[in-house]
Amino acid sequence: GAVVSQHPSRVICKSGTSVKIECRSLDFQATTMFWYRQFPKQSLMLMATSNEGSKATYEQGVEKDKFLINHASLTLSTLTVTSAHPEDSSFYICSARTWRGGNEQFFGPGTRLTVL
Amino acid sequence: AQSVAQPEDQVNVAEGNPLTVKCTYSVSGNPYLFWYVQYPNRGLQFLLKYITGDNLVKGSYGFEAEFNKSQTSFHLKKPSALVSDSALYFCAPRGTSGSARQLTFGSGTQLTVLP
Repeated sequence: GAVVSQHPSRVICKSGTSVKIECRSLDFQATTMFWYRQFPKQSLMLMATSNEGSKATYEQGVEKDKFLINHASLTLSTLTVTSAHPEDSSFYICSARTWRGGNEQFFGPGTRLTVL
Repeated sequence: AQSVAQPEDQVNVAEGNPLTVKCTYSVSGNPYLFWYVQYPNRGLQFLLKYITGDNLVKGSYGFEAEFNKSQTSFHLKKPSALVSDSALYFCAPRGTSGSARQLTFGSGTQLTVLP
């Protein structure tokens, strides 16, 4: 149990376009979902935290108009990178937390975004 | 504010030898402590956690970690390393109230097990 999926696993897009990444909790309801960004050989940096049905809370320095997060249901959150630029190229990882079992977080497999 | 330190960017160990990946943390109150492993181009996989109870926690793939409150450490250990253990390891403490309930990730330690 406690599986989190992400789609797509890899995406290449042109500069100026928008890209949507989906994160789903497959077998549990996630009270909270998190979006992280990871540069090569670096740690995970939390971008934003979202609760179902409410606006996401963004970390300092993360542009909310650029990284749109929608948490429409207890099993789905989406991250849309708007007007993507090459510097947005990164590995994006989502995580979902359930209220059961000590509020443990489960991580998706990640999405590799490359902006040309 | 909570923080975590993984003092070693890289740990090399020969296959069959014991391994230790170090982690120290700073969290107000009683922390929850986690270790995750990441293989190339993959998400994080949960290894083990400390919530309360016995200071020695056993987790997946033969890994264990010891919670040391006085030293605020939570070092990851394995008695006999395998080549397949080579990966990036993250220590992540978490507070238990308010905004501190989110994980704070260490910088990561690249473990290489040499055959």
